[in-house]
Amino acid sequence: AQSVTQLGSHVSVSEGALVLLRCNYSSSVPPYLFWYVQYPNQGLQLLLKYTTGATLVKGINGFEAEFKKSETSFHLTKPSAHMSDAAEYFCAVGNAGGTSYGKLTFGQGTILTVHP
Amino acid sequence: NAGVTQTPKFRVLKTGQSMTLLCAQDMNHEYMYWYRQDPGMGLRLIHYSVGEGTTAKGEVPDGYNVSRLKKQNFLLGLESAAPSQTSVYFCATRQGGGPYNEQFFGPGTRLTVL
Repeated sequence: AQSVTQLGSHVSVSEGALVLLRCNYSSSVPPYLFWYVQYPNQGLQLLLKYTTGATLVKGINGFEAEFKKSETSFHLTKPSAHMSDAAEYFCAVGNAGGTSYGKLTFGQGTILTVHP
Repeated sequence: NAGVTQTPKFRVLKTGQSMTLLCAQDMNHEYMYWYRQDPGMGLRLIHYSVGEGTTAKGEVPDGYNVSRLKKQNFLLGLESAAPSQTSVYFCATRQGGGPYNEQFFGPGTRLTVL
């Protein structure tokens, strides 16, 4: 079974500071990994995804994530936080085998707060 | 294009009442999903469908039923609502093909069961 763990349910940064949101996964097959963002009272929208190939993935709004197989990690970063980045972020793994083919398993979510 | 829409946006039920949530999509996607979102638990899959006329159980299916009579619609039913079903419900769709294809989410339905 696949699983996702997001370290830290709340992260607080100052505007202009580095954003680092941590995600570790467990998968018995090569994973497909996603980061979604949820702004208040809205649905989830895709930030970026890793399928195959380049391990550094760039997404929207200046975010990027690096797939590290040896560490089973897919941490999300942004060099300089903006007030508009305040939201909840979800890491997810796409199931690539068995009866769960194609389904997403989500982490618990990390709420990002950005202070002026 | 509206994408993925959900009806209603908010609802308050009393214990034992029934209701149906509607998810509609104009993206011509084969796969549709119903999730519930609870604080600190991420999103958990309730039921899903891989095409018109098909449904399957997800991670937390008890107390819910679904139907997909038309490709563009996926209905989630609560036959006898319980306070434990107070949650935010999200519908999502995905194009066919591999699990590398992203899911597209609706805006959610906030349900309170008293």
